[in-house]
Amino acid sequence: TQLLEQSPQFLSIQEGENLTVYCNSSSVFSSLQWYRQEPGEGPVLLVTVVTGGEVKKLKRLTFQFGDARKDSSLHITAAQTGDTGLYLCAGPNQAGTALIFGKGTTLSVSS
Amino acid sequence: NAGVTQTPKFQVLKTGQSMTLQCAQDMNHEYMSWYRQDPGMGLRLIHYSVGAGITDQGEVPNGYNVSRSTTEDFPLRLLSAAPSQTSVYFCASSYIQGSYNEQFFGPGTRLTVL
Repeated sequence: TQLLEQSPQFLSIQEGENLTVYCNSSSVFSSLQWYRQEPGEGPVLLVTVVTGGEVKKLKRLTFQFGDARKDSSLHITAAQTGDTGLYLCAGPNQAGTALIFGKGTTLSVSS
Repeated sequence: NAGVTQTPKFQVLKTGQSMTLQCAQDMNHEYMSWYRQDPGMGLRLIHYSVGAGITDQGEVPNGYNVSRSTTEDFPLRLLSAAPSQTSVYFCASSYIQGSYNEQFFGPGTRLTVL
C-alpha cells in the first residue's frame, strides 16, 4: 500500500520565520504534487515535481523532490499571514487511476 | 469557465435518508472523482470515473453510488445516510487520470448526518 506521511501535522509560527514541511513514503512515486487548501475551499495545486532531485521555486516557496522519488519537501522563506492554510502532498497510485493524499500539515502564521 | 461546481454547499440529513450530491465541470475533463475529508484523515477517494459510462471504486466506496452519463456531470448518491458519513465532500476533475495532471477541486459540500 502506498502511503504518504506528512510532518509536522501542525505548525504555528510568527510572520517572517522560515519553515519546512516534509512528505515521506517508503514507495517510489512517478511524481508528487503539493496543494494548498484554505478554510471552506477545495485544495488548489501549487506545484508538481516529476524528476528525482528536482527543485522548483514559486516566489518564497521552494519545493524539492528526493533523488529516489520517495520524498518531497516544501520550504517557505519569510512566512506571511497569507501562507496560512492546509498543505497537502499527493502522488499517483501505481495504476495511475487515483491520487493518494497525505494527511496534511496545518500551518498558522501570525503577525 | 465556472470550473468545478458542487451543490449543495451545506446539508443536514437524518440517519437513513438518501440524497445526491451534485458535481459538474465545464472544462471537458475526462477524469472526475469524489473525495471525503475528515479531520486528521486527509482526503480519501470514494469513487472515480475515467469517462462517460465508466466508474470505479476508490478507497472508501461503501454506502455511496455514482454514475457518469455525461462528461460534465458526476453525481454522488448516499443510499441510506449514516452518522459515519458526516464529512466534507469534494469533487475533482482533470484531463486524464492520475499521473501528474492538475486536479481541479470544487468548493465542497459539508454534510452532517444526525
